[in-house]
Amino acid sequence: QKEVEQDPGPLSVPEGAIVSLNCTYSNSAFQYFMWYRQYSRKGPELLMYTYSSGNKEDGRFTAQVDKSSKYISLFIRDSQPSDSATYLCAMKYARTSARQLTFGSGTQLTVLP
Amino acid sequence: SAVISQKPSRDICQRGTSLTIQCQVDSQVTMMFWYRQQPGQSLTLIATANQGSEATYESGFVIDKFPISRPNLTFSTLTVSNMSPEDSSIYLCSVVGQSEKLFFGSGTQLSVL
Repeated sequence: QKEVEQDPGPLSVPEGAIVSLNCTYSNSAFQYFMWYRQYSRKGPELLMYTYSSGNKEDGRFTAQVDKSSKYISLFIRDSQPSDSATYLCAMKYARTSARQLTFGSGTQLTVLP
Repeated sequence: SAVISQKPSRDICQRGTSLTIQCQVDSQVTMMFWYRQQPGQSLTLIATANQGSEATYESGFVIDKFPISRPNLTFSTLTVSNMSPEDSSIYLCSVVGQSEKLFFGSGTQLSVL
């Protein structure tokens, strides 16, 4: 079993839809959770960075962490065609443990105009 | 966040040859990493590039296959040696920026024939 599981998709939604992207993990020691967006032929771009459980909102994006269920989500409101990308979740044990970052395999999202 | 330039952006190489990928950062950074991203798979850390000393390789990666240089705090190279089709992948340079967040370069898409 992988440490971090992420549904690869592909996920296709109409413009304006609310998108829910999810990851589950097995190691309860993870404390820091990230979402990266990766456009085709580009490197991953940090989208959201959260610590422990709870919600964090940034514009149309909301990151949610449920440590009791070992489950994290990224919600995109009013999705746009420009949101079409692969979304990667990532997590680490401690603030300084950049080397121990564990990634999901990514969910490919297409937002149709 | 740091601006990370990676060259080349893509290349097609013959089996048995080597390719050197360059990573330039616009500010001095202590920690630089090299990742591999194979289709449909998670990002995998190859090694940590240390300034002034040998790179630290992760399990499954060896210096003879992936020699790394880090001559200063803004530059690093990764060489993929004696390539085979199994080395076809995206290679990513990354740095730890403010607040211990990980940022990525634009990646090098390598295809080995």
